[in-house]
Amino acid sequence: DIQMTQSPSSLSASVGDRVTITCRASQSISNYLNWYQQLPGKAPKLLMYLASSLERGVPSRFSGSASGTDFTLTISSLQPEDFATYYCQQTYSTPLTFGQGTKVEIK
Amino acid sequence: QVQLQESGPGLVKPSETLSLSCTVSGYSISSGYYWGWIRQPPGKGLEWIGSIYYSGSTYYNPSLKSRVTISLHTSKNHFSLKLTSVTAADTAVYYCARMRPTSTSCYPDYWGRGTLVTVSS
Repeated sequence: DIQMTQSPSSLSASVGDRVTITCRASQSISNYLNWYQQLPGKAPKLLMYLASSLERGVPSRFSGSASGTDFTLTISSLQPEDFATYYCQQTYSTPLTFGQGTKVEIK
Repeated sequence: QVQLQESGPGLVKPSETLSLSCTVSGYSISSGYYWGWIRQPPGKGLEWIGSIYYSGSTYYNPSLKSRVTISLHTSKNHFSLKLTSVTAADTAVYYCARMRPTSTSCYPDYWGRGTLVTVSS
């Protein structure tokens, strides 16, 4: 199985801050990497696919990038509705696997 | 707009079979896409259970493969999950999802709201 490791596990930030979350794959997955946002008590929501493609309807303050087996989700200016848990997921091979999540909390 | 809704018992006894259904509206499951199940134990991360292609081909997580069956029921536009011999470790919120295909596999793009299934006697 491909292991996905996210960092940090949690972070505290203020509205307006630039936030970066990293995900590392245990082997090459090309750009087959997605990012999801999960608000408390809700289902995950697809934000980014294929590492850097923004899902329709997702604000442009979200962006994604890739470098080898390292992937980054960036929120350029954190908004109140962005406080949530974020998961990366590889779709390179089955079993599909997720990172352990990064919780973004209010400072 | 595609919508998915899980249904089934919220409480299952140990060693019994967990059975859930996912009703899809806004899209015919026999027209395309994969359809899948993902679960999330309370306070923990996400685990892919398996997916089924609209043609009927199935793909399961090896960690659960011996206990899992995912089926399509096209006449009523829903698909189902059966997980046998459950234990407390199977307690989780179970999500159904439409799975968008890639050149190598698929990933969830539309999710149901999820249903909590507790395994307890």
